[in-house]
Amino acid sequence: DADVTQTPRNRITKTGKRIMLECSQTKGHDRMYWYRQDPGLGLRLIYYSFDVKDINKGEISDGYSVSRQAQAKFSLSLESAIPNQTALYFCATSETGFQPQHFGDGTRLSIL
Amino acid sequence: GQQLNQSPQSMFIQEGEDVSMNCTSSSIFNTWLWYKQDPGEGPVLLIALYKAGELTSNGRLTAQFGITRKDSFLNISASIPSDVGIYFCAGPYYGQNFVFGPGTRLSVLP
Repeated sequence: DADVTQTPRNRITKTGKRIMLECSQTKGHDRMYWYRQDPGLGLRLIYYSFDVKDINKGEISDGYSVSRQAQAKFSLSLESAIPNQTALYFCATSETGFQPQHFGDGTRLSIL
Repeated sequence: GQQLNQSPQSMFIQEGEDVSMNCTSSSIFNTWLWYKQDPGEGPVLLIALYKAGELTSNGRLTAQFGITRKDSFLNISASIPSDVGIYFCAGPYYGQNFVFGPGTRLSVLP
């Protein structure tokens, strides 16, 4: 079983819909992250969480919200999806801020 | 914000050739990470570097932490088809998380 699991793997939806992407981990890490990947732009940080009570905005948090339901679960929501949020989304975990991150396999989101 | 640049953006090579790519930063780093992303999957850590001048290998891959602490290099020897993918460098961002470069896309021709 994967250490970092993202669901769904693919999602197509319409403009204005609310969407939730979920991430769960079995690594026991406190830190969890959501990234967005667009071609030629690499990975950009949306939100990160140091523990269930600590949520922080990343580089591109506008239009997104997150919830850390437990140490193992971190979900990303798009309250009202728009087409330029079409991208590949990754969840990641790390033991500390100085340790390398471990990534899930991504959710490909298309907004029509 | 802090940005990393990777060169080249993409490259096409013949199977068996050696590959070199680099990553540069406007800031001094104390850590460099190199990740590979296979098609349809998430990035996977290849090599982590923690000291200026450090040279670390992982099979056919060798990465170096630049002396200036503003750059890092990744070399792949004797490339094979499974080396295809996107290679990302990453460095610490205010010590709280990592910033990623835009990636180098590698294609290996048989």
